[in-house]
Amino acid sequence: NAGVTQTPKFRILKIGQSMTLQCTQDMNHNYMYWYRQDPGMGLKLIYYSVGAGITDKGEVPNGYNVSRSTTEDFPLRLELAAPSQTSVYFCASSRQGGGYTFGSGTRLTVV
Amino acid sequence: EDQVTQSPEALRLQEGESSSLNCSYTVSGLRGLFWYRQDPGKGPEFLFTLYSAGEEKEKERLKATLTKKESFLHITAPKPEDSATYLCAVIQGAQKLVFGQGTRLTINP
Repeated sequence: NAGVTQTPKFRILKIGQSMTLQCTQDMNHNYMYWYRQDPGMGLKLIYYSVGAGITDKGEVPNGYNVSRSTTEDFPLRLELAAPSQTSVYFCASSRQGGGYTFGSGTRLTVV
Repeated sequence: EDQVTQSPEALRLQEGESSSLNCSYTVSGLRGLFWYRQDPGKGPEFLFTLYSAGEEKEKERLKATLTKKESFLHITAPKPEDSATYLCAVIQGAQKLVFGQGTRLTINP
């Protein structure tokens, strides 16, 4: 019972590089989310999805893109990485009305 | 705009010393308030959901309560393993959670 799996766990990017953060869940949850967590700032919603083929922006979407081609997968794409994107990224999933299940996070540093 | 404010930012207790964490919220029509525990280097772990004022839920040494303006997480006779950051969140729109900044709790043996 894996829950929500995120890869990689750690990554260092150079300014201007691109990368994809992977997220997979095996609980057949319709809802999936990407949050970033900065020290002392709590969790901020980047993008979310209510089902395969449907995505929408959260509070801080600039510099990111997502896709949801299957129920299980919700990758987050960073284009032209900037130092402001240094953060810890969490993927989560849920059923409607249920609590979120979070992954273990990806710690990203942009230098 | 929906807002969640947690206090204090950090709390240090001695083992066995009971206390409470506060979560104040402003939301148009509360549809659910969540408490999570987060250990260093890990993702948040679900603790409780509260839906209406007056509701209470308990798990081991933790008890969550809800009023129309705030929620409390009471910790009774804490142990060092209860040290973590505790996050509060409210539902916004279609199943999106808005989080507070968290309370970092340290229990000294």
